[in-house]
Amino acid sequence: QKEVEQNSGPLSVPEGAIASLNCTYSDRGSQSFFWYRQYSGKSPELIMFIYSNGDKEDGRFTAQLNKASQYVSLLIRDSQPSDSATYLCAVKDGVNDMRFGAGTRLTVKP
Amino acid sequence: SQTIHQWPATLVQPVGSPLSLECTVEGTSNPNLYWYRQAAGRGLQLLFYSVGIGQISSEVPQNLSASRPQDRQFILSSKKLLLSDSGFYLCAWSTWGQEQYFGPGTRLTVT
Repeated sequence: QKEVEQNSGPLSVPEGAIASLNCTYSDRGSQSFFWYRQYSGKSPELIMFIYSNGDKEDGRFTAQLNKASQYVSLLIRDSQPSDSATYLCAVKDGVNDMRFGAGTRLTVKP
Repeated sequence: SQTIHQWPATLVQPVGSPLSLECTVEGTSNPNLYWYRQAAGRGLQLLFYSVGIGQISSEVPQNLSASRPQDRQFILSSKKLLLSDSGFYLCAWSTWGQEQYFGPGTRLTVT
Protein backbone atom coordinates (compact mmCIF):
# COMPACT_ATOMS: atom_id res chain seq x y z
CA GLN A 1 0.00 0.00 0.00
CA LYS A 2 1.55 3.26 -1.14
CA GLU A 3 1.06 5.91 1.51
CA VAL A 4 1.53 9.63 1.93
CA GLU A 5 1.69 10.74 5.55
CA GLN A 6 1.21 14.20 7.00
CA ASN A 7 0.82 15.46 10.54
CA SER A 8 -2.83 16.47 10.74
CA GLY A 9 -2.06 19.38 13.05
CA PRO A 10 -3.35 21.86 13.78
CA LEU A 11 -0.09 23.70 13.39
CA SER A 12 -0.26 27.17 14.87
CA VAL A 13 2.34 29.88 14.18
CA PRO A 14 2.37 33.62 14.90
CA GLU A 15 2.15 36.09 12.07
CA GLY A 16 5.54 36.71 10.50
CA ALA A 17 7.01 33.37 11.59
CA ILE A 18 8.13 30.48 9.40
CA ALA A 19 5.64 27.63 9.06
CA SER A 20 7.14 24.22 8.34
CA LEU A 21 4.93 21.49 6.90
CA ASN A 22 6.19 17.95 6.49
CA CYS A 23 5.25 14.94 4.42
CA THR A 24 6.66 11.43 4.08
CA TYR A 25 5.88 8.88 1.41
CA SER A 26 6.36 5.13 1.20
CA ASP A 27 7.07 4.46 -2.48
CA ARG A 28 10.73 4.95 -3.41
CA GLY A 29 9.72 5.07 -7.06
CA SER A 30 7.79 8.32 -6.62
CA GLN A 31 8.87 10.92 -9.12
CA SER A 32 6.89 14.13 -8.62
CA PHE A 33 5.79 15.99 -5.53
CA PHE A 34 3.16 18.66 -5.07
CA TRP A 35 1.80 20.97 -2.41
CA TYR A 36 -1.80 22.16 -2.53
CA ARG A 37 -3.51 24.70 -0.31
CA GLN A 38 -7.17 24.15 0.54
CA TYR A 39 -9.24 26.80 2.26
CA SER A 40 -12.23 25.58 4.22
CA GLY A 41 -15.07 24.65 1.90
CA LYS A 42 -13.00 25.27 -1.23
CA SER A 43 -11.15 23.08 -3.69
CA PRO A 44 -7.37 22.49 -3.52
CA GLU A 45 -5.12 25.04 -5.21
CA LEU A 46 -1.67 24.08 -6.47
CA ILE A 47 1.05 26.20 -4.88
CA MET A 48 4.30 24.30 -5.50
CA PHE A 49 5.71 21.29 -7.27
CA ILE A 50 9.18 19.77 -7.11
CA TYR A 51 10.79 16.95 -9.04
CA SER A 52 14.47 17.00 -8.02
CA ASN A 53 16.27 16.70 -4.71
CA GLY A 54 16.98 19.99 -3.00
CA ASP A 55 15.11 23.23 -2.55
CA LYS A 56 12.76 25.11 -4.83
CA GLU A 57 11.71 28.63 -3.95
CA ASP A 58 8.70 30.60 -5.16
CA GLY A 59 8.08 33.85 -3.33
CA ARG A 60 7.46 33.11 0.34
CA PHE A 61 7.22 29.38 -0.31
CA THR A 62 10.08 26.88 -0.39
CA ALA A 63 9.61 23.20 -1.19
CA GLN A 64 12.32 20.80 -0.04
CA LEU A 65 12.74 17.26 -1.34
CA ASN A 66 14.93 14.48 0.01
CA LYS A 67 14.31 11.29 -1.98
CA ALA A 68 16.77 9.23 0.06
CA SER A 69 14.75 9.96 3.20
CA GLN A 70 11.43 9.91 1.30
CA TYR A 71 10.60 13.28 2.73
CA VAL A 72 9.18 16.47 1.27
CA SER A 73 8.48 19.68 3.13
CA LEU A 74 6.99 23.12 2.56
CA LEU A 75 8.28 26.22 4.29
CA ILE A 76 6.19 29.38 4.39
CA ARG A 77 8.19 32.45 5.33
CA ASP A 78 6.64 35.58 6.83
CA SER A 79 3.40 33.70 7.48
CA GLN A 80 0.22 35.70 7.11
CA PRO A 81 -3.28 35.08 8.49
CA SER A 82 -4.35 34.51 4.89
CA ASP A 83 -2.06 31.45 4.82
CA SER A 84 -4.36 29.74 7.32
CA ALA A 85 -5.63 26.69 5.44
CA THR A 86 -5.13 22.96 5.09
CA TYR A 87 -2.03 22.02 3.11
CA LEU A 88 -2.14 18.80 1.11
CA CYS A 89 0.96 16.91 0.06
CA ALA A 90 0.63 14.87 -3.14
CA VAL A 91 3.02 12.32 -4.61
CA LYS A 92 2.99 11.02 -8.15
CA ASP A 93 4.37 7.66 -9.20
CA GLY A 94 3.36 7.51 -12.83
CA VAL A 95 1.27 9.33 -15.36
CA ASN A 96 -2.03 9.16 -13.52
CA ASP A 97 -1.19 7.85 -10.08
CA MET A 98 -1.28 10.85 -7.73
CA ARG A 99 -1.74 10.10 -4.04
CA PHE A 100 -2.67 12.69 -1.46
CA GLY A 101 -1.98 12.97 2.22
CA ALA A 102 -4.84 13.83 4.55
CA GLY A 103 -3.47 17.36 4.99
CA THR A 104 -2.05 19.56 7.73
CA ARG A 105 -4.21 22.35 9.07
CA LEU A 106 -2.23 25.56 9.53
CA THR A 107 -3.40 28.50 11.61
CA VAL A 108 -1.48 31.79 11.50
CA LYS A 109 -2.36 33.97 14.47
CA PRO A 110 -2.23 37.78 14.11
CA SER B 1 -5.91 30.37 -19.96
CA GLN B 2 -7.50 27.16 -18.82
CA THR B 3 -10.72 27.07 -16.80
CA ILE B 4 -12.52 24.17 -15.25
CA HIS B 5 -16.20 24.22 -14.36
CA GLN B 6 -18.26 21.90 -12.20
CA TRP B 7 -21.95 21.87 -11.49
CA PRO B 8 -23.96 21.84 -9.46
CA ALA B 9 -22.04 23.46 -6.61
CA THR B 10 -24.16 21.75 -3.95
CA LEU B 11 -26.62 18.90 -4.09
CA VAL B 12 -28.85 17.15 -1.57
CA GLN B 13 -30.21 13.84 -2.75
CA PRO B 14 -32.14 11.02 -1.05
CA VAL B 15 -30.73 7.53 -0.77
CA GLY B 16 -31.53 5.49 -3.85
CA SER B 17 -31.81 8.45 -6.19
CA PRO B 18 -29.67 8.85 -9.31
CA LEU B 19 -26.73 11.23 -9.65
CA SER B 20 -25.13 13.16 -12.47
CA LEU B 21 -22.25 15.58 -11.91
CA GLU B 22 -20.67 17.39 -14.80
CA CYS B 23 -17.23 18.82 -15.37
CA THR B 24 -16.01 20.80 -18.36
CA VAL B 25 -12.61 22.24 -19.17
CA GLU B 26 -11.88 25.25 -21.38
CA GLY B 27 -8.68 26.44 -22.94
CA THR B 28 -6.90 23.14 -23.48
CA SER B 29 -7.17 20.14 -25.75
CA ASN B 30 -7.00 16.44 -24.93
CA PRO B 31 -6.52 16.90 -21.19
CA ASN B 32 -6.32 14.05 -18.73
CA LEU B 33 -9.39 14.29 -16.51
CA TYR B 34 -9.94 13.01 -12.98
CA TRP B 35 -12.75 12.58 -10.47
CA TYR B 36 -11.85 12.66 -6.77
CA ARG B 37 -13.94 12.41 -3.63
CA GLN B 38 -13.03 14.03 -0.35
CA ALA B 39 -14.92 12.81 2.70
CA ALA B 40 -15.20 15.19 5.66
CA GLY B 41 -11.77 15.62 7.28
CA ARG B 42 -10.17 13.13 4.93
CA GLY B 43 -7.74 13.16 2.04
CA LEU B 44 -8.62 12.97 -1.61
CA GLN B 45 -9.56 9.60 -3.06
CA LEU B 46 -9.14 9.14 -6.80
CA LEU B 47 -12.29 7.61 -8.27
CA PHE B 48 -11.80 7.72 -12.05
CA TYR B 49 -9.43 9.10 -14.62
CA SER B 50 -9.62 9.48 -18.37
CA VAL B 51 -6.90 10.02 -20.96
CA GLY B 52 -9.30 10.50 -23.87
CA ILE B 53 -12.87 10.32 -25.17
CA GLY B 54 -14.52 7.09 -24.06
CA GLN B 55 -11.45 5.99 -22.09
CA ILE B 56 -12.23 5.56 -18.39
CA SER B 57 -10.15 3.91 -15.68
CA SER B 58 -11.63 3.16 -12.29
CA GLU B 59 -9.51 3.21 -9.16
CA VAL B 60 -11.92 1.75 -6.64
CA PRO B 61 -14.97 -0.51 -6.85
CA GLN B 62 -18.14 1.39 -6.08
CA ASN B 63 -21.61 2.20 -7.32
CA LEU B 64 -20.36 5.20 -9.27
CA SER B 65 -19.49 5.38 -12.94
CA ALA B 66 -17.88 7.94 -15.19
CA SER B 67 -18.12 8.86 -18.84
CA ARG B 68 -16.29 11.17 -21.21
CA PRO B 69 -18.56 11.90 -24.14
CA GLN B 70 -16.48 14.84 -25.42
CA ASP B 71 -12.82 15.80 -25.17
CA ARG B 72 -13.36 18.37 -22.45
CA GLN B 73 -16.39 16.93 -20.67
CA PHE B 74 -16.32 14.44 -17.82
CA ILE B 75 -19.44 13.12 -16.10
CA LEU B 76 -19.81 11.25 -12.83
CA SER B 77 -22.97 9.19 -12.39
CA SER B 78 -24.75 6.81 -10.11
CA LYS B 79 -27.97 4.88 -10.57
CA LYS B 80 -28.70 4.62 -6.85
CA LEU B 81 -26.97 6.75 -4.22
CA LEU B 82 -25.82 5.40 -0.88
CA LEU B 83 -25.34 7.36 2.34
CA SER B 84 -21.61 6.68 2.02
CA ASP B 85 -21.56 8.58 -1.29
CA SER B 86 -21.78 11.89 0.56
CA GLY B 87 -18.71 14.05 0.15
CA PHE B 88 -16.96 16.75 -1.80
CA TYR B 89 -16.53 15.72 -5.43
CA LEU B 90 -13.69 17.31 -7.30
CA CYS B 91 -12.87 17.22 -10.98
CA ALA B 92 -9.30 17.90 -12.04
CA TRP B 93 -7.37 18.18 -15.29
CA SER B 94 -3.77 17.85 -16.32
CA THR B 95 -1.69 17.82 -19.47
CA TRP B 96 1.36 15.70 -20.16
CA GLY B 97 0.56 13.83 -16.93
CA GLN B 98 2.02 16.46 -14.66
CA GLU B 99 0.43 18.75 -12.08
CA GLN B 100 -3.32 18.61 -11.68
CA TYR B 101 -5.68 21.56 -11.38
CA PHE B 102 -8.98 21.29 -9.60
CA GLY B 103 -12.42 22.61 -10.32
CA PRO B 104 -14.54 24.31 -7.65
CA GLY B 105 -16.15 21.03 -6.58
CA THR B 106 -19.64 19.73 -5.85
CA ARG B 107 -20.70 19.15 -2.27
CA LEU B 108 -23.06 16.16 -2.20
CA THR B 109 -25.18 15.24 0.78
CA VAL B 110 -27.11 11.99 0.61
CA THR B 111 -29.98 11.90 3.10
